Amino acid sequence: GQNIDQPTEMTATEGAIVQINCTYQTSGFNGLFWYQQHAGEAPTFLSYNVLDGLEEKGRFSSFLSRSKGYSYLLLKELQMKDSASYLCAVRGTNAGKSTFGDGTTLTVKP
Amino acid sequence: SAVISQKPSRDICQRGTSLTIQCQVDSQVTMMFWYRQQPGQSLTLIATANQGSEATYESGFVIDKFPISRPNLTFSTLTVSNMSPEDSSIYLCSVEHRGAVRGTQYFGPGTRLTVL
Repeated sequence: GQNIDQPTEMTATEGAIVQINCTYQTSGFNGLFWYQQHAGEAPTFLSYNVLDGLEEKGRFSSFLSRSKGYSYLLLKELQMKDSASYLCAVRGTNAGKSTFGDGTTLTVKP
Repeated sequence: SAVISQKPSRDICQRGTSLTIQCQVDSQVTMMFWYRQQPGQSLTLIATANQGSEATYESGFVIDKFPISRPNLTFSTLTVSNMSPEDSSIYLCSVEHRGAVRGTQYFGPGTRLTVL
């Protein structure tokens, strides 16, 4: 099975940088995904890592170390609209299913 | 990306009744999933909806309680049967879309269910 850990809550200031960590233990690995979920809305895809290293997409970057079972999502130049829950999800090798972490609620303050 | 709609968007139901939730996708997709998300919590996979065959249920979820249909590659239904207040939750369908990064899921807007 999969076990995914991420912090429950984080707070940061508008314009700053924040790093949200995710550690996982898995019996099979076929990619790690980050999703953003605003309150009352459905999750939306942010980023994907399957190989070690950093993937950059605008203000958002995601890093993966498979040997350490570790990923982080880096958000730069924070904006108020970035206040949301960020979900780390690991896709296993069993029928393409993904397991989601409990999510990190990020609050951006002025 | 895929455009996904769900009906109803919300409902309030009486204990002991059943509710069927519909999920419609604007293109053919191979993988469709049903999740449950309770307030402030993460997504719990209920089952994978398989086209033309029985759904594959996760541990703790059974077909009698959550029957699923998937008659074609663009549509699925989830029924919540014999409801109790513990079934109050948001139910979301998701799909993996051809052309996207393999494994990327696109989610419907969700159905907010309250059982009294």
